[in-house]
Amino acid sequence: DTGVSQDPRHKITKRGQNVTFRCDPISEHNRLYWYRQTLGQGPEFLTYFQNEAQLEKSRLLSDRFSAERPKGSFSTLEIQRTEQGDSAMYLCASSLADSNQPQHFGDGTRLSIL
Amino acid sequence: GENVEQHPSTLSVQEGDSAVIKCTYSDSASNYFPWYKQELGKRPQLIIDIRSNVGEKKDQRIAVTLNKTAKHFSLHITETQPEDSAVYFCAASMTGFQKLVFGTGTRLLVSP
Repeated sequence: DTGVSQDPRHKITKRGQNVTFRCDPISEHNRLYWYRQTLGQGPEFLTYFQNEAQLEKSRLLSDRFSAERPKGSFSTLEIQRTEQGDSAMYLCASSLADSNQPQHFGDGTRLSIL
Repeated sequence: GENVEQHPSTLSVQEGDSAVIKCTYSDSASNYFPWYKQELGKRPQLIIDIRSNVGEKKDQRIAVTLNKTAKHFSLHITETQPEDSAVYFCAASMTGFQKLVFGTGTRLLVSP
């Protein structure tokens, strides 16, 4: 399977703990995106990378959130001091770098904060 | 910023009927409009997209129409089948701003 892969699929943690998610994009895609999806809503944009450069961050991305893509391949999203409101599905997508290229999503990481 | 509204929130049809889902967007600079299908617990899957230089695009039983003047676009599914049952999301983006802005989704139920 050469699609976008995310790990873990599910994460349950206590409030206040730190969590880290990983995304591996489609190999030839140099753009990588993070979205958050809550129940009954569409995905909301968090941030995106072109190669290793983080080019845009949403206001949703508080200072407790940090994303990296150190070698321009896989990316990690870390949430520090988790809060109940962080419970959501975190989706990763990737695309080619040309304008308005289709974004292909992974299966997501479902985060539950106890 | 861009805002995308989607209607209806739920849609129930009989197998073989057509289904239409409508979206409106606010920013006239938006020029790319994809549609995603999301089954329960699964990833959003791109089913069709349209760019602002065309008014209609068709792929087998699925078609999308775009009215730039009115700033709305619609998904049309003909000869619906039970496996079309899912949540459908529209989205919009513009050149230079890579993020997709999604609608709130339409839950489509196709009854046999």
